[in-house]
This record gives sequence, structure tokens and C-alpha cells, in this order.
Amino acid sequence: AQSVTQLGSHVSVSEGALVLLRCNYSSSVPPYLFWYVQYPNQGLQLLLKYTTGATLVKGINGFEAEFKKSETSFHLTKPSAHMSDAAEYFCAVSNSGGSNYKLTFGKGTLLTVNP
Amino acid sequence: DTGVSQDPRHKITKRGQNVTFRCDPISEHNRLYWYRQTLGQGPEFLTYFQNEAQLEKSRLLSDRFSAERPKGSFSTLEIQRTEQGDSAMYLCASRSLAPSSYEQYFGPGTRLTVT
Repeated sequence: AQSVTQLGSHVSVSEGALVLLRCNYSSSVPPYLFWYVQYPNQGLQLLLKYTTGATLVKGINGFEAEFKKSETSFHLTKPSAHMSDAAEYFCAVSNSGGSNYKLTFGKGTLLTVNP
Repeated sequence: DTGVSQDPRHKITKRGQNVTFRCDPISEHNRLYWYRQTLGQGPEFLTYFQNEAQLEKSRLLSDRFSAERPKGSFSTLEIQRTEQGDSAMYLCASRSLAPSSYEQYFGPGTRLTVT
């Protein structure tokens, strides 16, 4: 079984400040990890993914995340927040050892950006 | 590549009525997934198809729910005798089976409200 814990259901930052959204996962096999963003009343858009190889992965809109196996973490960061980053962010894990590759999501973190 | 589309975007129905949602995946994506997202939660896996075969169903998918993908292209999700607890966003996603293509692409969702 796999699970995802996102610490902090709501994170508030000032425009231009560092964004840090935390994600810890549990998986019995090497995981595939994803961050998705969801704007109000829309579907999910992929920000970035980790499957194998380099543990620091870069995504769209200036976001990046680092896979840390020893900490079972995959935290999302962005050096400087923009107003347009305000949205809900979901971390997800997929089982690399299975065949269905279904996603297990965390409960999400709502990011607000203050001017 | 026009993305994943879902229809309708919103559905309001009375308790006890049947509803059907449609999902059109990205063309040539073999795998199609259905998820359900309730308020304040991350999406939860319901079922998935590889081509026209339904390969896995979650325990969340009660007998009132049925999904089909008759020709391996679009899919439908039907809920019979809707209950207020069925109110949620229903998300469809598709994925290619190409090597190293692990991400799922999501549609905009169908928001169901059961009154």
C-alpha cells in the first residue's frame, strides 16, 4: 500500500517569497512521484515528476522538487512566488512495481500569495 | 493533441436519478482512469481501463457505479440511484503506454451535485 502526507493544508506567502510545500510518501517499492496543481473548478495540471535518475527535478513555472529517499520526502519549492501561483497543489505517488500505475494523492495544500 | 475532455462540466440531479458522464482521452492513450474528488480532499482512484478492458476497480466503486470503454476510445461513468454522498468532482485522466511516460493527463472534471 502507498500513501502521501502533505504537511500543511494551507500555506500563505508574500509575493516574491520562497514557496515550500511539503510532501512525505510511503511506498513498499521505489516510487514514482508527482506534483500537480489545480486551479478553481479545473482539472489537475502536472508540474513535475520523479521516476528515476536525478533526484532534483525541475518543472513548469519555475517549480522544482527534490526526491530524498532517506527522508521519504518530495518537497516542492519555488524561489519567488507570483500571484498566479495561488492554487491548490497535490503530491501523488504511483507504484513503480505494479502494472496499473494508479495515483494515490495527498489531501492537498492550498497556496495563497499575498501582494 | 487536444487534451482530455469531459462532458458535462456540471451536473445537478435529484437523489435517486441516474447520471452518465463522458470522458474523451488524448488520442492513442491506451490507459484511461477515473478518479473522484470530494471537497477538501485529493482525488481518489475509482477504476481504470487499458484499451477496452476494465482492469481494476476500487472498493469505492459501489454496485451503483459502472464504467465502460466500449471501443477503447471514450469512456462513460454511470451512477444509478444517486445519493447525496455521490456529490463530488469526477475526474478522468489518460496515459500513454510509451516507455518512460508515467504521467497522467487530467480532464477538467465533471462536478456532480445531488440534491
